[in-house]
Amino acid sequence: DTEVTQTPKHLVMGMTNKKSLKCEQHMGHRAMYWYKQKAKKPPELMFVYSYEKLSINESVPSRFSPECPNSSLLNLHLHALQPEDSALYLCASSPPWAPYEQYFGPGTRLTVT
Amino acid sequence: LAKTTQPISMDSYEGQEVNITCSHNNIATNDYITWYQQFPSQGPRFIIQGYKTKVTNEVASLFIPADRKSSTLSLPRVSLSDTAVYYCLVGGAYSGGGADGLTFGKGTHLIIQP
Repeated sequence: DTEVTQTPKHLVMGMTNKKSLKCEQHMGHRAMYWYKQKAKKPPELMFVYSYEKLSINESVPSRFSPECPNSSLLNLHLHALQPEDSALYLCASSPPWAPYEQYFGPGTRLTVT
Repeated sequence: LAKTTQPISMDSYEGQEVNITCSHNNIATNDYITWYQQFPSQGPRFIIQGYKTKVTNEVASLFIPADRKSSTLSLPRVSLSDTAVYYCLVGGAYSGGGADGLTFGKGTHLIIQP
């Protein structure tokens, strides 16, 4: 199984809502990543988890809260988002010793109204 | 991280071979060169990775000269479905340093015409 799955595919939320994005992989990878991608721009790294511990936080606002409950799951909790946070949110995984061989999920298209 | 420079866009026709060159003058000794492909509204897909000389897989070839200051992704006999953005990344793989996020440049928008 070389697939990374993400749910939901689409999400519309108001600025006062709390929602969560979910990512799952069953490749045995112990590194997982969250990226944000705005239209016609390259993906931007948000968070890196290595062996279920947060290892990199790219100065992301606290309204984004990552969680890695186990080696297969990665969540991104969203609270009090702004319209400018609307984007495609991508999850990826890799073996931690081969960080440049990342497998990406299809993404969650988030719209903040 | 070594900075990379790629053409912003390229055009070609079905059945042609397409070569996309990436410049990375400040590549470090431990750095590998990796290429990703991304279709609209999808996650990037790992295509190929190499350290020196030539690497080939079922999708593409990667040519790296001896000085490693540039690399060329070669896509043989392209089709319309190869229209996508292609990203060149340079960084330390297999260094034992643990997980590291990818820093994507602007990429090359390849457009294949019939």
